[in-house]
Amino acid sequence: KNQVEQSPQSLIILEGKNCTLQCNYTVSPFSNLRWYKQDTGRGPVSLTIMTFSENTKSNGRYTATLDADTKQSSLHITASQLSDSASYICVVSARGNNRLAFGKGNQVVVIP
Amino acid sequence: DAGVIQSPRHEVTEMGQEVTLRCKPISGHDYLFWYRQTMMRGLELLIYFNNNVPIDDSGMPEDRFSAKMPNASFSTLKIQPSEPRDSAVYFCASSSIDRLYSNQPQHFGDGTRLSIL
Repeated sequence: KNQVEQSPQSLIILEGKNCTLQCNYTVSPFSNLRWYKQDTGRGPVSLTIMTFSENTKSNGRYTATLDADTKQSSLHITASQLSDSASYICVVSARGNNRLAFGKGNQVVVIP
Repeated sequence: DAGVIQSPRHEVTEMGQEVTLRCKPISGHDYLFWYRQTMMRGLELLIYFNNNVPIDDSGMPEDRFSAKMPNASFSTLKIQPSEPRDSAVYFCASSSIDRLYSNQPQHFGDGTRLSIL
């Protein structure tokens, strides 16, 4: 069973609307959680990195939240733009064993 | 400021052939990672190096896969012999953190799309 589950697998939203992507994980003990954006045909690009003590972090129109107690994170996209069309990957790292657990990504399509 | 550079961008070859993927990390970065991405499995870490030394290769699927980092500015991932199930996008990433999982991002190249016929 994958240690990082993302939902929804894909979604289509209208330009200008907001959306929220979910990431649930079972990785323990927790070190940090990262959200990456991957455009088609490109490598992933880091959006945010959050540690145990952080429960929200913003990067422009992207806001990530973390609830380490429930092992959930979300990525909120505000006022979506066509350039937000991409896959958003949640990655969780554990303390002590140097392994990363990857979600399979949320595929977002923004339409005009 | 050059990012991580991978070559080739696309590779199509017949099964049984040797495939070599190349990566030039960002100058000054002392960690280098090789990943594989497929639709079914998403991103998977294959191996990573610290200061040119392989640290964890537990993600390498089989003995057909090997990776080297002869110096700080170059790494290769080799598949010999290649099989159709090796078809995937292979990414190289680098980072400059003291501790592997501190609050620093990994910088990814744009990948090599490998197709084994």
